[in-house]
Amino acid sequence: EVHLVQSGAEVKNPGDSLKISCQGSGYTFTNHWIGWVRQMPGKGLEWMGIIYPDDSDSRYSPSFQGLITISVDKSVSTAYLHWGSLKASDTAMYYCATRWMGRLYWGRGTLVTVFS
Amino acid sequence: QVVLTQSPSASASLGASVKLTCTLVNSSNAVAWHQQQPGKGPRYLMKVNSDGSHNKGDGIPDRFSGSTSGTEHYLTISSLQSEDEADYYCQTWGTGLTWVFGGGTKLSVL
Repeated sequence: EVHLVQSGAEVKNPGDSLKISCQGSGYTFTNHWIGWVRQMPGKGLEWMGIIYPDDSDSRYSPSFQGLITISVDKSVSTAYLHWGSLKASDTAMYYCATRWMGRLYWGRGTLVTVFS
Repeated sequence: QVVLTQSPSASASLGASVKLTCTLVNSSNAVAWHQQQPGKGPRYLMKVNSDGSHNKGDGIPDRFSGSTSGTEHYLTISSLQSEDEADYYCQTWGTGLTWVFGGGTKLSVL
């Protein structure tokens, strides 16, 4: 069974860096794109970017290009979402998801709170 | 640019059926539906291909079905239960492997 386990909630200050994680299991991690999705408080789902674990090929939404970095460590079947300098507006829930056998599987989300 | 448009809200009575609509522009790709119950993360319901075939998620009841007609994509929920009260998002794949989400429909079960 496909499982995506995300790292725990984070509380940060503006200007801090942050890397959150998403570990996959139950499938061949390297062969399936993993995406990251943002959900700001009370808002809808926004696609941020995607990475192919086998070769780290990544694509970003224009809305997030240059603001985040998506990476992967194949040795631990884990994808990462990284901010170099957080802003208060980065406060949101972040979900990872992967497409396997035509279905999308979601992680449970990581809440990031950036206090201004 | 691929765009998905959903009505912001819908309502129906307990035990009744409801049909949620998602309009897809500038693409003929399949559309997936996701449910997000209050306070929870998204849950994949199904993907509906242009030929009408489905790929349902694990454990999704038969009460949930999808269909398509031209640019319109539908999620029908029959025999509505209280736990069906949730936000429902349609989603597709754009150019360059991008993902596109609709704005979501908030379903109230009366």
